[in-house]
Amino acid sequence: NAGVTQTPKFRILKIGQSMTLQCTQDMNHNYMYWYRQDPGMGLKLIYYSVGAGITDKGEVPNGYNVSRSTTEDFPLRLELAAPSQTSVYFCASSHRASGGTDTQYFGPGTRLTVL
Amino acid sequence: AQSVTQPDIHITVSEGASLELRCNYSYGATPYLFWYVQSPGQGLQLLLKYFSGDTLVQGIKGFEAEFKRSQSSFNLRKPSVHWSDAAEYFCAVGSYNQGGKLIFGQGTELSVKP
Repeated sequence: NAGVTQTPKFRILKIGQSMTLQCTQDMNHNYMYWYRQDPGMGLKLIYYSVGAGITDKGEVPNGYNVSRSTTEDFPLRLELAAPSQTSVYFCASSHRASGGTDTQYFGPGTRLTVL
Repeated sequence: AQSVTQPDIHITVSEGASLELRCNYSYGATPYLFWYVQSPGQGLQLLLKYFSGDTLVQGIKGFEAEFKRSQSSFNLRKPSVHWSDAAEYFCAVGSYNQGGKLIFGQGTELSVKP
């Protein structure tokens, strides 16, 4: 049971390039999330998904897109990279049971630099 | 507005000393409260959580936290800190009706002196 895995671990992009950050979970969780973490700022929610085919914006969605075609995968796409997107990106998942147990499990993160 | 405040950006304690990390929240609904720990270069690991019931909750690694509704606080404590506890600690709040979304505080970095 690997939990939440993210690839790549590190990436350097040039301004205007695009890329996809991959996230996979093997816990059969219905909820998945993407956060960015900037120094001294905590985590900000970019997008989240409550199940396959359903996604919604979080607090800071501009410049990003997501899709959720399967329960396991929740990729995050950057279409036109900008220096403001330099950050550490975390994917998380949780199981939303009837009792509302929303403990989120996090991946190891992707450190992205845009130059 | 919903928010989480961790007033201390950085705390240094001596090994063996007690620790208290503060967390205050502003939230309209009945809150679910969490403490996560992040070691350098790692993802976040859940230390403990409060959903309902006993307001003093026990977590992993000897940590505990107390929910005080009247003070809108959920402070994290440990009676005796170990050098391996040096990390960044995040408080987060959510609720059942918010689609599982969490609001995180800005984090408190803990350093441990030998």
